[in-house]
Amino acid sequence: GDSVTQMEGPVTLSEEACLTINCTYTATGYPSLFWYVQYPGEGLQLLLKATKADDKGSNKGFEATYRKETTSFHLEKGSVQVSDSAVYFCALSLGAGSQGNLIFGKGTKLSVKP
Amino acid sequence: DSGVTQTPKHLITATGQRVTLRCSPRSGDLSVYWYQQSLDQGLQFLIQYYNGEERAKGNILERFSAQQFPDLHSELNLSSLELGDSALYFCASSVGTAGPPTQYFGPGTRLTVL
Repeated sequence: GDSVTQMEGPVTLSEEACLTINCTYTATGYPSLFWYVQYPGEGLQLLLKATKADDKGSNKGFEATYRKETTSFHLEKGSVQVSDSAVYFCALSLGAGSQGNLIFGKGTKLSVKP
Repeated sequence: DSGVTQTPKHLITATGQRVTLRCSPRSGDLSVYWYQQSLDQGLQFLIQYYNGEERAKGNILERFSAQQFPDLHSELNLSSLELGDSALYFCASSVGTAGPPTQYFGPGTRLTVL
């Protein structure tokens, strides 16, 4: 079935280090891809998205490129901050319009030390 | 603030009991999705409603049911509760009219079954 696999955490980085969180997917159709972030004690916030192959989503210094050939959507940031400490979820949706639940990866916890 | 509200924030109850979780979507959003987040299962899609009608079902137990009312708010009913139902329950909403359905999440209801 359709699924998302992301790298196991936790990931611990020093401030200003580079971040990559790997995400690969398996899907029967042509999914839209998302990264959501969950800060401690809060709900999920959409970080970025891409809806077709070669699209690049970006927001708050984070980027991810939809790679159909490798079925991947890796999250990257050039210089992380302490405030980026959170759990990051990669997700896909095969729907459009009035239908389209999200299928999530298990999440990767990021801790950034000053 | 995503514009999606959920009540209550916390709920503590006993095994065998029944509870109702409430969700109000963002203004103008027609779709409501329910998700369960637990340590062992991760984030799982339960059920989706669009403009009052059930649109998709995921891993929702028979003891659970939901509905969406004419004012578009939704309720998730959990009955004959078991210890394993303890989890965070999120609702998300989307416009649901065209294109990939970007979902906006509420802050969640934390259910503890004792």
